[in-house]
Amino acid sequence: DAGITQSPRYKITETGRQVTLMCHQTWSHSYMFWYRQDLGHGLRLIYYSAAADITDKGEVPDGYVVSRSKTENFPLTLESATRSQTSVYFCASSDDRGGRTGELFFGEGSRLTVL
Amino acid sequence: QQPVQSPQAVILREGEDAVINCSSSKALYSVHWYRQKHGEAPVFLMILLKGGEQKGHEKISASFNEKKQQSSLYLTASQLSYSGTYFCGTEMGSNFGNEKLTFGTGTRLTIIP
Repeated sequence: DAGITQSPRYKITETGRQVTLMCHQTWSHSYMFWYRQDLGHGLRLIYYSAAADITDKGEVPDGYVVSRSKTENFPLTLESATRSQTSVYFCASSDDRGGRTGELFFGEGSRLTVL
Repeated sequence: QQPVQSPQAVILREGEDAVINCSSSKALYSVHWYRQKHGEAPVFLMILLKGGEQKGHEKISASFNEKKQQSSLYLTASQLSYSGTYFCGTEMGSNFGNEKLTFGTGTRLTIIP
């Protein structure tokens, strides 16, 4: 089915473990984004990508790694998870509006708990 | 830089009107509005580009005052389905081609019968 999907939807892990959150979109959108959502902070941008093999930092990139070898996939990796990374993570995609952000299509979110 | 939204929360009776404000200290290129229901992903409402345009979507409309770097979202004759958290997102006016959408902390709107 067309759309944007995230996996896993729920994940519990321990401090220090590596975790990868997957994001897949079927629209061939140029832009993909990772946001984290925490109470009182709204949505904060972690990393974004304008195209395959092009990624850039957002507001809160520390502790996260991304890659984009294919247009449709944008995985987010926490190399050594910390409790402060407990959050709901949203992946989003949008088409290219001349370098500007268009309508964002969000995935359903991945709820990560770090113990 | 994160835009500032006000109010943080508002409770309305069905049929009442609401205004949610979003302001930035930086020159803006665009303002985006999203609504998020509890436990769900944010959903796009509209984008306003600099030029002071006003857009509408049924009984939800918005304005963008470029000079004041402010946007307002207007919900008229509110319905129960309007409940949720509203986020504005802003794109700066500089560094064309390398912009990032920055969201405010949200306004929680509760509509009661």
